[in-house]
Amino acid sequence: GAGVSQSPRYKVAKRGQDVALRCDPISGHVSLFWYQQALGQGPEFLTYFQNEAQLDKSGLPSDRFFAERPEGSVSTLKIQRTQQEDSAVYLCASSSQGNEQYFGPGTRLTVT
Amino acid sequence: GDSVTQMEGPVTLSEEAFLTINCTYTATGYPSLFWYVQYPGEGLQLLLKATKADDKGSNKGFEATYRKETTSFHLEKGSVQVSDSAVYFCALSLSGGYNKLIFGAGTRLAVHP
Repeated sequence: GAGVSQSPRYKVAKRGQDVALRCDPISGHVSLFWYQQALGQGPEFLTYFQNEAQLDKSGLPSDRFFAERPEGSVSTLKIQRTQQEDSAVYLCASSSQGNEQYFGPGTRLTVT
Repeated sequence: GDSVTQMEGPVTLSEEAFLTINCTYTATGYPSLFWYVQYPGEGLQLLLKATKADDKGSNKGFEATYRKETTSFHLEKGSVQVSDSAVYFCALSLSGGYNKLIFGAGTRLAVHP
């Protein structure tokens, strides 16, 4: 079956622009995670959804970052007024409750 | 706070050499431990896991044993292949939660023929 997909795969934004990154999880997966992976580093947790409820957003680095999953399936991570330090790969993962997380290929964001 | 520390790379080996990538952790409670692998151009994949002390996770010839006394989860393989070249990440998730993962910085492995 289809895995986790993310779009776009690559995004170049000028500093100050808003961006929206999409994640399509595996069908039926209740849990959805967003991670940020800076160059040469491991992924760092941003936020977690259980169905449509955002249960943990403790990893979001600033109030410019916003995530939603309104129907409990597709999720969007939005970054307002992008800064150079936002340049990273943004990873989405989904899982059925308590089980292995399946990762998407990521969106590489470059802010110029 | 909870964290994972793994050996810095790159690790460069010849084919059929023995591999060890060290990983230690700091965590409250009793975490589950994981090794993920990221092949060039691909997403993160779970390689193996262990959920309690003394458990051994294994897959594709790789092994790691959950050592509570040394808070370690070192990855080993007896004979590496060129196709094992990738970045390897050690990670933990805390018990009683929703399995948020905390990753180490990753170790790049390059295997030469």
